[in-house]
Amino acid sequence: DSGVTQTPKHLITATGQRVTLRCSPRSGDLSVYWYQQSLDQGLQFLIQYYNGEERAKGNILERFSAQQFPDLHSELNLSSLELGDSALYFCASSATVSGSPLHFGNGTRLTVT
Amino acid sequence: AQTVTQSQPEMSVQEAETVTLSCTYDTSESDYYLFWYKQPPSRQMILVIRQEAYKQQNATENRFSVNFQKAAKSFSLKISDSQLGDAAMYFCAYRSPVTGTASKLTFGTGTRLQVTL
Repeated sequence: DSGVTQTPKHLITATGQRVTLRCSPRSGDLSVYWYQQSLDQGLQFLIQYYNGEERAKGNILERFSAQQFPDLHSELNLSSLELGDSALYFCASSATVSGSPLHFGNGTRLTVT
Repeated sequence: AQTVTQSQPEMSVQEAETVTLSCTYDTSESDYYLFWYKQPPSRQMILVIRQEAYKQQNATENRFSVNFQKAAKSFSLKISDSQLGDAAMYFCAYRSPVTGTASKLTFGTGTRLQVTL
């Protein structure tokens, strides 16, 4: 168990809809990262938050947004969903100590129909 | 920007044998960290091993070891005494040192390892 909790595990929704994915980082970790993994692909970095502030952006679409709350949990909002948004979305957290590994949640599998 | 390349989309190894997965990376930084993650069919991302670039000694974790060649920017993973449970997708990843800004993991495209009887 990595200590990172993601909900829900599975999400099935229709095109054009909006969904929210939730992540609770490991106790004590201030950094939260979101990654997208499409079928049989690598992991694409979306966005990072550190202690409530956005710190880095990857190839995140404008239809996607995220935030990190004072209790350090994070939410990834996906809107105007398209078929191509179907993927496994991972949240990860890490300690601030240099070189700390990222610890990943079990992911949320999003299916857009 | 840093890039990570895994040139072997698929590899196969017999049970109890040894296999080496390749990874190269490109960076202008002198200090950084390298990781191997395993993703079994359950799709969990599991940390296998970690290497600090400023340490010349290769990291080892039980049956897993790395061959880190800093000058060549190469970071291969050796799995000894392969077991059926080692069958998974393996990702090589790069991380810059934590600074005041950001330090994400940059992943390679992965190598799918099959373990046969």
